[in-house]
Amino acid sequence: DAMVIQNPRYQVTQFGKPVTLSCSQTLNHNVMYWYQQKSSQAPKLLFHYYDKDFNNEADTPDNFQSRRPNTSFCFLDIRSPGLGDAAMYLCATSGGGNQPQHFGDGTRLSIL
Amino acid sequence: DQQVKQNSPSLSVQEGRISILNCDYTNSMFDYFLWYKKYPAEGPTFLISISSIKDKNEDGRFTVFLNKSAKHLSLHIVPSQPGDSAVYFCAAIGYNTDKLIFGTGTRLQVFP
Repeated sequence: DAMVIQNPRYQVTQFGKPVTLSCSQTLNHNVMYWYQQKSSQAPKLLFHYYDKDFNNEADTPDNFQSRRPNTSFCFLDIRSPGLGDAAMYLCATSGGGNQPQHFGDGTRLSIL
Repeated sequence: DQQVKQNSPSLSVQEGRISILNCDYTNSMFDYFLWYKKYPAEGPTFLISISSIKDKNEDGRFTVFLNKSAKHLSLHIVPSQPGDSAVYFCAAIGYNTDKLIFGTGTRLQVFP
């Protein structure tokens, strides 16, 4: 049973056209994370929510934003995607602290 | 500044033999270490973890060793099976944070 679900699995958008990626969880975890992963690189944390508290990483570009309307859902909004934003975007959840993070299967974003 | 390093991008091992994946870190404040396995087109899956107060943790065929003085950990898989072929990520959590810092991964191939 999928516990962290990301939609869509593949997304193609045009340069500069806003795009939203979604993530939902059935684990009732407090913490939700968004990562960006480019080929052969480590997943890079963009931001995370502890409940409704939003924590942005210092080097996350300004055109990346996030919303968490409730415990189960979290969205990644890219306001004006550039070619350098083409990547795999991973959503994860955890109960916080040292508890392992559970990942979705990711959304691969392509920019035309 | 890569705080968690996996210096071997790939490893090839014969089925039945031991696979040893290595990871080095630079931040002595890391409190907890985890290994994730990732198959193509799937998200990372949690495999095994170890607290900084321990030097070994074992789960079936998987054992993680931690050498704090050397800031080094390793994952041993024995015996290796073809289904173990995947990318393995080492990750660390700092004290009193919810954030994972990932290494760049090692691609393990187990051949018959």
